[in-house]
Amino acid sequence: QVTLRESGPALVKPTQTLTLTCIFSGFSLSNSGMCVSWIRQPPGKALEWLALIDWDDDKYYNTSLKSRLTISKDTSKDLVVLTLTDMDPVDTATYYCARALGSNYYYAMDVWGQGTTVTVSS
Amino acid sequence: EIVMTQSPATLSVSPGERATLSCRASQTLSSSLAWYQQKPGQAPRLLIYAASTRAPGIPARFSGSASGTDFTLTISSLQSEDFAIYYCQHYNNWPPGYTFGQGTKLEIK
Repeated sequence: QVTLRESGPALVKPTQTLTLTCIFSGFSLSNSGMCVSWIRQPPGKALEWLALIDWDDDKYYNTSLKSRLTISKDTSKDLVVLTLTDMDPVDTATYYCARALGSNYYYAMDVWGQGTTVTVSS
Repeated sequence: EIVMTQSPATLSVSPGERATLSCRASQTLSSSLAWYQQKPGQAPRLLIYAASTRAPGIPARFSGSASGTDFTLTISSLQSEDFAIYYCQHYNNWPPGYTFGQGTKLEIK
């Protein structure tokens, strides 16, 4: 059974750096075709993709947020970390991590974590 | 940059009826189109990938199709548990990245 779980601070101050961790099980990010993606959703708004890391350690970012985002993985611990610098109230959102499958799945995100809510406020 | 436009924003349909949700891309895409269902307080759930392939465990009443830049999600006979928000999503091969539509809220008529 594939599961993902996000963790991180519920509240951050403006200008601080947000660090989120996604711990997963049921698959290995070393296997070809496996990827983990981060997505966020501001309250009452649509989904916004943030970043993806693949089995080969290639990293891809939302172009509008690229300068603020870093994604990394620790394959031995089955986790992926996302950092977002210079937080602003507009970054208030629920942050999800999800497994994405390459190849025949065209990188669709087939299993999602339950999300973690982050509020940016002083 | 590819823009995905979903319509309508809200769709009111009675249980048992058919629902047709649309997603239009700003340019011709590959088949890298997926549909997700999201209920209040829950994470999205993958329904369809590669434009028309149902994800494992998804009921047969959900189907996807594509024609040029237009993509459609059809729910053949609405069940009470189908009322939710639906998002289309495109994966771009280069530069790699995802674009989501703004969502269609499917509500009970």
